[in-house]
Amino acid sequence: GEDVEQSLFLSVREGDSSVINCTYTDSSSTYLYWYKQEPGAGLQLLTYIFSNMDMKQDQRLTVLLNKKDKHLSLRIADTQTGDSAIYFCARGRLYNFNKFYFGSGTKLNVKP
Amino acid sequence: ETGVTQSPTHLIKTRGQQVTLRCSSQSGHNTVSWYQQALGQGPQFIFQYYREEENGRGNFPPRFSGLQFPNYSSELNVNALELDDSALYLCASSLGFLAGEGTGELFFGEGSRLTVL
Repeated sequence: GEDVEQSLFLSVREGDSSVINCTYTDSSSTYLYWYKQEPGAGLQLLTYIFSNMDMKQDQRLTVLLNKKDKHLSLRIADTQTGDSAIYFCARGRLYNFNKFYFGSGTKLNVKP
Repeated sequence: ETGVTQSPTHLIKTRGQQVTLRCSSQSGHNTVSWYQQALGQGPQFIFQYYREEENGRGNFPPRFSGLQFPNYSSELNVNALELDDSALYLCASSLGFLAGEGTGELFFGEGSRLTVL
C-alpha cells in the first residue's frame, strides 16, 4: 500500500481493548483514516483525523497520531465479537485529487 | 440518503474479454473513485472522476478506462482481461476536494468481485 504499513493480525478477548497500529512515510498527508471491512463487504469509514491533531475520540474509538514518528493507532475499547473484521489505515492528501493510499489491513479476531 | 451501489456484485470472465462495472454515487456526491482490491491486500487507486472528467490516475494501464455521467454515476471498463485482473473492484464517492466542498472522506460501495479464468 505504498508506504502505509500495518501488522497483519491481532487477536483479543471480548471485553478487552484492541490497539491496531499503522505507520506511514509521507509527511505531506493531510488526513488519516480508519476503515473497517467485514467479509464479502465494502469498506466502512470508522473515523478520520486531520494531520494537525494528536488525538480524536469517538465513542469506543480513540485515534492517536504521532506525527514525529509517523505512527497512527486505533484503540477500540470493550471489543465485541462484532468488531471482528479487517481494519485498514489510509492516508489521503487533498491536492489535485483525493487519492488514498491504503495499508494491507489488520485482521482483528475477537474471541468470546 | 442512498448509499453507493455497484453492479454486478459478482461476475466471471475469461482472459481477453472486456468487462464494464457500474456505480451509482451517494446522493449529493460529485466525485467517484475506483479502487482494485486483490485478495489479502488493501485497495489500490485506479482513477478518479470529478464532474465528468478524469481527475487523477493510479498506476494502471490504459486498458482500464472509465466514464462519469451527468448524474455522477460512473463506469469502469477493463479491456483484454488478464488473470491478474481478478479482484474486488470498489467504487467510492465523495463530496469533491475543493475548499468548501468537504473533507474528502470516501464512502464505498460493496464492490464487484471479478474472476478472470
